[in-house]
Amino acid sequence: QVQLQQSGAELAKPGSSVKISCKASGYTFTSYYISWIKQTTGQGLEYIGYINTGSGGTNYNEKFKGKATLTVDKSSSTAFMQLSSLTPDDSAVYYCARVILQPNLRYYFDYWGQGVMVTVSS
Amino acid sequence: DIQMTQSPASLSASLGETVTIECRASEDIYSNLAWYQQKPGNSPQLLIYDANSLADGVPSRFSGSGSGTQYSLKINSLQSEDVASYFCQQYNNYNTFGAGTKLELK
Repeated sequence: QVQLQQSGAELAKPGSSVKISCKASGYTFTSYYISWIKQTTGQGLEYIGYINTGSGGTNYNEKFKGKATLTVDKSSSTAFMQLSSLTPDDSAVYYCARVILQPNLRYYFDYWGQGVMVTVSS
Repeated sequence: DIQMTQSPASLSASLGETVTIECRASEDIYSNLAWYQQKPGNSPQLLIYDANSLADGVPSRFSGSGSGTQYSLKINSLQSEDVASYFCQQYNNYNTFGAGTKLELK
């Protein structure tokens, strides 16, 4: 069965970076893009961007350009997201999700990871 | 950006009741809309895509409808396991989510 297993919770200091992972199993990793989504109580769900797991090509929500960097390791079927220059506003649960890309290039998400809580505090 | 206005923000209903949640888009999204269910402590799960297509494994008591800027999710014969938050997502022009509806049992 399709599974997206994310890394564990992170506690980080302001100004630092964190890199969280999303290991896929149960399907051909390079056949589906992976997206990342941020969830907070205040802002709800915010789309960060996606990575083409085959080519490594990326697309970012303008709001997260410079904040998030998406990478992939095909050999381990794992996607990564690095968050840099952390501030308390980056405290959130971050999900990876498998992308269903339609012929019209629009897409939604059919499987989600369990989420990673990132807490930014001094 | 397309804004998604979801209503109500919270809802209390009885077992067996029919529940409707609505999402209104700030512009026509041409049925490029998904609904997700998020149970407490869990990640979102896909219920509906393309406004009215049921995702694999989702019970038939869930249905989606709508067009243009107005969409709805209906839950027939509410079950205890349906207690959750529900989110809409438009994917016609990039991706934006509704603020969510928290569904509780009365």
